[in-house]
Amino acid sequence: KNEVEQSPQNLTAQEGEFITINCSYSVGISALHWLQQHPGGGIVSLFMLSSGKKKHGRLIATINIQEKHGSLHITASHPRDSAVYICAVFLYLAGGTSYGKLTFGQGTILTVHP
Amino acid sequence: DAGVTQSPTHLIKTRGQQVTLRCSPKSGHDTVSWYQQALGQGPQFIFQYYEEEERQRGNFPDRFSGHQFPNYSSELNVNALLLGDSALYLCASSLSASDARYYNEQFFGPGTRLTVL
Repeated sequence: KNEVEQSPQNLTAQEGEFITINCSYSVGISALHWLQQHPGGGIVSLFMLSSGKKKHGRLIATINIQEKHGSLHITASHPRDSAVYICAVFLYLAGGTSYGKLTFGQGTILTVHP
Repeated sequence: DAGVTQSPTHLIKTRGQQVTLRCSPKSGHDTVSWYQQALGQGPQFIFQYYEEEERQRGNFPDRFSGHQFPNYSSELNVNALLLGDSALYLCASSLSASDARYYNEQFFGPGTRLTVL
């Protein structure tokens, strides 16, 4: 089982729709990072959060530490939001000597039609 | 201020060859992490460099090696290339956290797309 699971894997929406992408993880984490990847590969950071909720424009990210679950919401979706959205969690094993590392979900391919 | 840069952007090699990919971190960052992203998958952690040493490593064979220079730039070397090494190789830089428990945001470069024929 992957340590980080994203759902859905593919998402198609009409312009203006409210979109939710989910991220579940299996171990305790220090932080959750949402990333956006456009065709061609470049990755842009959207949010980094360790608790609660953050909002930037039409994007909202939430995290529930107890339930080991995070969500990315896009309000009033637009065709330019079409991209791959990737959830990454920073895992640190308490008592360990190694540094934590980012573990990524497989990504959600979002297509927004006009 | 330039962000993270990588070179080359694309590369085509044949099986058995060796390749070197380069990364310059964002100004002020001292830590470089390398990731491999196969088509349709999320990135996989290869290794991380700090203070010119490999600080930790993912589940990749010894054919994958790296180096960090005093100016914090880094190289990823892959020997004896296999078809399965074809992927997008991403470099990310960050400022080292004061405590191993904490995560400082990583900033990603545009990637190098490696094709092995």
